[in-house]
Amino acid sequence: AQRVTQPEKLLSVFKGAPVELKCNYSYSGSPELFWYVQYSRQRLQLLLRHISRESIKGFTADLNKGETSFHLKKPFAQEEDSAMYYCALAGTSYGKLTFGQGTILTVHP
Amino acid sequence: DTEVTQTPKHLVMGMTNKKSLKCEQHMGHRAMYWYKQKAKKPPELMFVYSYEKLSINESVPSRFSPECPNSSLLNLHLHALQPEDSALYLCASSQLSLLGFPGWQFFGPGTRLTVL
Repeated sequence: AQRVTQPEKLLSVFKGAPVELKCNYSYSGSPELFWYVQYSRQRLQLLLRHISRESIKGFTADLNKGETSFHLKKPFAQEEDSAMYYCALAGTSYGKLTFGQGTILTVHP
Repeated sequence: DTEVTQTPKHLVMGMTNKKSLKCEQHMGHRAMYWYKQKAKKPPELMFVYSYEKLSINESVPSRFSPECPNSSLLNLHLHALQPEDSALYLCASSQLSLLGFPGWQFFGPGTRLTVL
């Protein structure tokens, strides 16, 4: 079975502060991990995938297999980062994507 | 064209109506998906089509009937729905590798369905 846990439903920070959104997963094989973001009234869109090891909009995420974690980090949060963030796991079962419950990030001015 | 489009944007239907949701992509993706999303909740997978064949049905009630007429189109036929089926219905698509493993999924904007 595959499971994704995002322990924080809500996260509030001030502009310019560092932010970390936590994600832990459970999967017996080698999963593919993603972060998706949903801005207000916009479609769900891919932010990061662990395979590409990119930095998008200043966000990074490192897969830690020992701790089964894929936390999302940004050193200096911006107001436009306010959104719902979902961590997601894809196993090898034909695209079954399992989402965490999501974290609503609010960045205050 | 790097988008997934969905029509209609909004749909209101009675419990005895028959309606269809439509999803289209022209990215050459061979996997397409239907999800249901309730407010402030993550998307829940309903169906997966791989190479136009149904590969995953997540025990969805038969009042939801998917159809994949070709590699670019995905429909969801609705009949005799219940008020609790009111939700945002999302379509997504992805590439498939040579071994059939999916890439990351591109999502459409969704159809907001209200069942009265």
